[in-house]
Amino acid sequence: DADVTQTPRNRITKTGKRIMLECSQTKGHDRMYWYRQDPGLGLRLIYYSFDVKDINKGEISDGYSVSRQAQAKFSLSLESAIPNQTALYFCATSDQPSGQETQYFGPGTRLLVL
Amino acid sequence: GDSVTQMEGPVTLSEEAFLTINCTYTATGYPSLFWYVQYPGEGLQLLLKATKADDKGSNKGFEATYRKETTSFHLEKGSVQVSDSAVYFCALTNFGNEKLTFGTGTRLTIIP
Repeated sequence: DADVTQTPRNRITKTGKRIMLECSQTKGHDRMYWYRQDPGLGLRLIYYSFDVKDINKGEISDGYSVSRQAQAKFSLSLESAIPNQTALYFCATSDQPSGQETQYFGPGTRLLVL
Repeated sequence: GDSVTQMEGPVTLSEEAFLTINCTYTATGYPSLFWYVQYPGEGLQLLLKATKADDKGSNKGFEATYRKETTSFHLEKGSVQVSDSAVYFCALTNFGNEKLTFGTGTRLTIIP
């Protein structure tokens, strides 16, 4: 079984709809991250969490919110989806201190906002 | 802030050719450097890393050396295979900056 899973894998939604992307991990890591990938832009960090009580904004957090329900679960919400949030979204985990990060990625969720 | 610049693609090579994908970085202090690979339809996975100057990371025939004097971490492989076709991302982390900073990715296609 995969260590980092994401649901759904693909989603089509309409402008203005609320949508939640879920991430679960069995690696026992404290640190979890949400990224979006756009062609030609690489990956950009949306939010990250170092434990259940610690949530931090990344470089592109506007329009997104997150919830860390447990050590193993980290959800990303789009409160009111807009077309420029169409992207590939990745969840990642890590257990190493800053400066030596090896992150483990889920398979991604492809989101299309019409 | 920290940044990573990597060779733009796409790159197309014949099987058994020599591969170089250039990566340079801008960062204060002593960052750790990484190459991640994304195979079609999958998430990113760590290919190799180096945490201090002059370290060489290696894995699956790929190598990269952390060159602080040229702020570079170029990825090389002596003989590529069709199975190496993927998108390659150079990235760094830096103490006190709690995230990975990625380059834009280089798509590599190997033709038989």
